[in-house]
Amino acid sequence: SQQGEEDPQALSIQEGENATMNCSYKTSINNLQWYRQNSGRGLVHLILIRSNEREKHSGRLRVTLDTSKKSSSLLITASRAADTASYFCATDNAGTASKLTFGTGTRLQVTL
Amino acid sequence: EAQVTQNPRYLITVTGKKLTVTCSQNMNHEYMSWYRQDPGLGLRQIYYSMNVEVTDKGDVPEGYKVSRKEKRNFPLILESPSPNQTSLYFCASSLSLALASDTQYFGPGTRLTVL
Repeated sequence: SQQGEEDPQALSIQEGENATMNCSYKTSINNLQWYRQNSGRGLVHLILIRSNEREKHSGRLRVTLDTSKKSSSLLITASRAADTASYFCATDNAGTASKLTFGTGTRLQVTL
Repeated sequence: EAQVTQNPRYLITVTGKKLTVTCSQNMNHEYMSWYRQDPGLGLRQIYYSMNVEVTDKGDVPEGYKVSRKEKRNFPLILESPSPNQTSLYFCASSLSLALASDTQYFGPGTRLTVL
């Protein structure tokens, strides 16, 4: 079953602009992770935010988590063409710590 | 280099012909997992393993088998492949069982087509 649902499904922006992607989930979580996937390749871990954290930064990435709304957002600032990829959220659900459940992803296109 | 490897990367086969996709990690990770990725459905977990000789079903285990005889290897077995198993498959591993604080490392993927 799908836990995370990303929004939008696709996003097209110009280089230098900010990109914001959202993830909503249904059940209580321990933590939420964001992954990136270049076309047809394996996923690469970007950032993890724990359920007791509200915001986290890593380079040009900013992640927020609102457990009351069961949602998270990933902000990529000053985007580059190399940021073109699909982005997935994954939840480590409370009570089922042995698996991650991935959302359907947001496809980001950054044009020059 | 720390990595997860999968073989083969591409495979075209016919219905009913048994196949195995191998997965190996060189990071001494406890946890390993298999996912399939289909358009519009994201990644869905097939099976996972928390230790040698310990495996468990994920969300879509039907039609698949796995084994974990050694820590580094976690092969995915399709005893009788069917066209609905045409998909992109990923193996992943992580250091600890506590996914709450851990990162999963993914292999490069295996694109399987069952005719």
